[in-house]
Amino acid sequence: DAGITQSPRHKVTETGTPVTLRCHQTENHRYMYWYRQDPGHGLRLIHYSYGVKDTDKGEVSDGYSVSRSKTEDFLLTLESATSSQTSVYFCAISDLGGESETQYFGPGTRLLVL
Amino acid sequence: GDSVTQMEGPVTLSEEAFLTINCTYTATGYPSLFWYVQYPGEGLQLLLKATKADDKGSNKGFEATYRKETTSFHLEKGSVQVSDSAVYFCALSPGEGGGADGLTFGKGTHLIIQP
Repeated sequence: DAGITQSPRHKVTETGTPVTLRCHQTENHRYMYWYRQDPGHGLRLIHYSYGVKDTDKGEVSDGYSVSRSKTEDFLLTLESATSSQTSVYFCAISDLGGESETQYFGPGTRLLVL
Repeated sequence: GDSVTQMEGPVTLSEEAFLTINCTYTATGYPSLFWYVQYPGEGLQLLLKATKADDKGSNKGFEATYRKETTSFHLEKGSVQVSDSAVYFCALSPGEGGGADGLTFGKGTHLIIQP
């Protein structure tokens, strides 16, 4: 299994509060991704990073920001959580190059916004 | 933009039945195609992949062939087991290094295998 951890694994918060989710990898992979999983939608890309301090928006980036100050850590922040951000959040990593386009996923963070 | 379409289910089969989960895609260029599996309460695990037309990916008795002429990547297994019960996701990457932009997923197919 790829060395990917996510924290916290579960969180309950209230509307309007800031929330930060952490993804940590031990594989030294260059690319990191944040997805959200919702019933009827599959997984949708929120933001991704192609190196330290290099990030870009995905399909559903509104209301989210990210930071990557170290290769191993990729943080996802909800500046002011809303009920529509209740979801399961997955981090993924990839090393690209050759056949290595495979993305490896973390265990997920289940977030409930009340 | 790129898209992936797959049956959502739930698909319910008896143990030892033959499985097919259809997946079709829309993409420009030459995408790579993937099947991921998600067991209850867990993250996604790569099941198999194919990176060019006519390639066959296989793993744990599952197979899928990259058909460019029909833009399909159907998942098959000859004899399913109760332990195969999970949600299966078809996904594509733009390929040729374009995978940095992330994968495009289908909505997932919930498979239930009854003893």
